[in-house]
Amino acid sequence: SAVISQKPSRDICQRGTSLTIQCQVDSQVTMMFWYRQQPGQSLTLIATANQGSEATYESGFVIDKFPISRPNLTFSTLTVSNMSPEDSSIYLCSVERGRVGTEAFFGQGTRLTVV
Amino acid sequence: GESVGLHLPTLSVQEGDNSIINCAYSNSASDYFIWYKQESGKGPQFIIDIRSNMDKRQGQRVTVLLNKTVKHLSLQIAATQPGDSAVYFCAENRGTYKYIFGTGTRLKVLA
Repeated sequence: SAVISQKPSRDICQRGTSLTIQCQVDSQVTMMFWYRQQPGQSLTLIATANQGSEATYESGFVIDKFPISRPNLTFSTLTVSNMSPEDSSIYLCSVERGRVGTEAFFGQGTRLTVV
Repeated sequence: GESVGLHLPTLSVQEGDNSIINCAYSNSASDYFIWYKQESGKGPQFIIDIRSNMDKRQGQRVTVLLNKTVKHLSLQIAATQPGDSAVYFCAENRGTYKYIFGTGTRLKVLA
């Protein structure tokens, strides 16, 4: 299994500000993933983050709103920019350590409330 | 569009009874499926998985059934316990790193 730590675990932010969420993995992984989980809903993939290259964003998500960094094989950040109340969600970091099509591991999530 | 969905948003089960959570998927190319459990304030936790070349897989107190003919996945929990109360998600994978998650079912265990 993989141990994934996210910081902060929760935050309340003012609209118009930005929040950077950190994800630290206990071992090197090729790909890291960021998901959003809106209240009472399922998980939606925001982007895939590879070390040394730009993140790949899913439809409906753009780099200006959700810039991602991946400076090394154990760490990534997701920034939620110019926040509005609609950005209130749980943001989850995930990794897959095995071959393609194997179990994905998740951090505990960051619960963001925008007021 | 393509999706993975669940039939019941909330399931209430008496403690000790068996629980069955269902999931429908729409893409016949999906070849790997996972059930995750998410407790309040936590990230999804792996429960059990199954590949498309199987129709049944058993774990400890849990069984996953896959019916490829009707694109249906189910999770059976035997002797449901209070600690099983959580939201359960199915997820499908199509041979890439991307997972598509179902809408989730909240399981409530009644004492």
